[in-house]
Amino acid sequence: SQQGEEDPQALSIQEGENATMNCSYKTSINNLQWYRQNSGRGLVHLILIRSNEREKHSGRLRVTLDTSKKSSSLLITASRAADTASYFCATDAGTGNQFYFGTGTSLTVIP
Amino acid sequence: DTAVSQTPKYLVTQMGNDKSIKCEQNLGHDTMYWYKQDSKKFLKIMFSYNNKELIINETVPNRFSPKSPDKAHLNLHINSLELGDSAVYFCASSQPLREQFFGPGTRLTVL
Repeated sequence: SQQGEEDPQALSIQEGENATMNCSYKTSINNLQWYRQNSGRGLVHLILIRSNEREKHSGRLRVTLDTSKKSSSLLITASRAADTASYFCATDAGTGNQFYFGTGTSLTVIP
Repeated sequence: DTAVSQTPKYLVTQMGNDKSIKCEQNLGHDTMYWYKQDSKKFLKIMFSYNNKELIINETVPNRFSPKSPDKAHLNLHINSLELGDSAVYFCASSQPLREQFFGPGTRLTVL
């Protein structure tokens, strides 16, 4: 079965609000990555967090990692309509060379 | 300067045919991947390949075979296409344990 699962499956918010997505995984990892996919496009990398890191920031994005709970969260602050997309977490399940994606969270930001 | 490119973007074919999808990366990455994304947006790793090792996801039918003429190319060949092969196929590349760069995807429709 897939390594990662995102929660919620779908999220709809107003522009300017914060959006939080969660990811749970099953086995040990070297790192966890978050990606964004706009409709009809390929995935774009957002943030990589290593297993020995607990929090990472990039612009309006904040990612946390709790390896004891095997979970991660992605926070998008001050959301914009352009943030509307699907967001996926991916882990390497400790392999280092194969990545397993979750089912994604579909985010809609209403202008 | 497209980092990861795929051709064709769309592929419509009859059941039983054999087809290939080409992928090229100009990032100098050591590892390339093929993913299948189904209609529910679930993204599944099919293969990862570097110049030393091919790793095949055990659930991938042997009708699918990756072919790498050189480090910058990883083509996907599919024999005896079936209806269930209809999906979007993504190529990606990365350095070990680093973020992946995805191509734009190839939408395969089997009639």
